Amino acid sequence: AQKVTQAQTEISVVEKEDVTLDCVYETRDTTYYLFWYKQPPSGELVFLIRRNSFDEQNEISGRYSWNFQKSTSSFNFTITASQVVDSAVYFCALSEHFGNEKLTFGTGTRLTIIP
Amino acid sequence: DTGVSQDPRHKITKRGQNVTFRCDPISEHNRLYWYRQTLGQGPEFLTYFQNEAQLEKSRLLSDRFSAERPKGSFSTLEIQRTEQGDSAMYLCASSLETGGYQETQYFGPGTRLLVL
Repeated sequence: AQKVTQAQTEISVVEKEDVTLDCVYETRDTTYYLFWYKQPPSGELVFLIRRNSFDEQNEISGRYSWNFQKSTSSFNFTITASQVVDSAVYFCALSEHFGNEKLTFGTGTRLTIIP
Repeated sequence: DTGVSQDPRHKITKRGQNVTFRCDPISEHNRLYWYRQTLGQGPEFLTYFQNEAQLEKSRLLSDRFSAERPKGSFSTLEIQRTEQGDSAMYLCASSLETGGYQETQYFGPGTRLLVL
C-alpha cells in the first residue's frame, strides 16, 4: 500500500525567510511518480511539480526547489525568500506508474507567511 | 485552453436529499478522476474513468454514490440519500493517458457540499 506522510501540520515564517516542507513516502512499486500541489484558500489544487522515481536530480523553478532522495524516501520542497502569496496548504502526493495511477496524498502542510 | 470546471461550486442540502455534481475535464483528456477531501485532510480517491468506462471505484464509494461519464466527456457524481458524513469538498481531475504513459492530473475548483 502507498502512503505519504507530511509531518508538519502548520508552519509560519516571516516574509523573505526560506522554508522547507517535508514529505516522506512509502511504496512497494519500483516505478512511481511524486507530486507537489498547492491549495490556496480558494480551494483549487494547483500543480507544482511531477517527478518520476528514476530521476533524482534536484529541480529549481524560480524561488521553488525540490530535493528527491530515494535513499530516505523523501521529496522535500523549499521556498526561498518566501512571499505572502505563498501562503496556502501544500500537498505531497504519490502515484504508481501503471494501472489507475490514482494519487495518494499526504495530509498537507499549512504554510503561513507573515508580512 | 480552459481548465477543469466543476458545477456547482457550493451546495447546501438537507439530509436525505439527492445531489448531483458535474465535472467538465480539459478537452481531449481521456482520464477523469473524482476525489473527496474532508477538512484538514488530503484528497482521497473515489473513482476514475478512461473515456466512458468506469474502471475503478474506491471502497469509500458506497452504494449511495454513482458516477457516470457518458460519451467520455463530462462526468456526473450523484449522491443519493445524503448523510451528514458526506459533507466534504468533491474534486475532479483530468489527465491524458497515451500508450501507458499518463500525464499530470489537473484539478478543478471543487464542489463544496454541506449536508444539514
